Amino acid sequence: NIVMTQSPKSMSMSVGERVTLSCKASENVGTYVSWYQQKPEQSPKLLIYGASNRYTGVPDRFTGSGSATDFTLTISSVQAEDLADYHCGQSYSYPWTFGGGTKLEIK
Amino acid sequence: QVQLKQSGPGLVQPSQSLSITCTVSGFSLTSYGVHWVRQSPGKGLEWLGVIWRGGSTDYNAAFMSRLSITKDNSKSQVFFKMNSLQADDTAIYYCAKNFDGYYAMDYWGQGTSVTVSS
Repeated sequence: NIVMTQSPKSMSMSVGERVTLSCKASENVGTYVSWYQQKPEQSPKLLIYGASNRYTGVPDRFTGSGSATDFTLTISSVQAEDLADYHCGQSYSYPWTFGGGTKLEIK
Repeated sequence: QVQLKQSGPGLVQPSQSLSITCTVSGFSLTSYGVHWVRQSPGKGLEWLGVIWRGGSTDYNAAFMSRLSITKDNSKSQVFFKMNSLQADDTAIYYCAKNFDGYYAMDYWGQGTSVTVSS
């Protein structure tokens, strides 16, 4: 199975700061990577698909980039409502797999 | 609007089976696939399987021997059944709509919290 590794596991940022989340695949997954935001006590929500495509209604402060094995989710200016867990996932091959998540806390 | 509503038990006895129904609205099961994903306490997401619009299925090989996903298009319902549950199957189980053409999941159900315990 393809292993997705996210880093850091957690981070604490102040409102307005730039946030960079990393996701690395154990083998080439092309651009078959999605990012999901999961706020406390909620179901995940799709943020980014195809590595760099922002889903409908997602604020433009969220940007996805990368290909092959290295992917990044950037929040240009983090807001208080961005408090959440962020998951990356690959859909290049079965079984689809996810990283362990990054918990974003707001100072 | 698109909705996925899940119904199922919260408590399952060890070695028993888990059945969850995902009732969808706002889209047709003949046009979109539906995935099943679970999340164990304090852990990441785990993809379990999918039923595609034509009725074919793909399963995570780790669960293939005890997992079944079926559907009734006319009732807009997808049925999830996992057999022989053990304590480490305790998790929140989600159904999610496939984002057609991009192999992602764009709408999720509210989740079914399942505890495996006697």
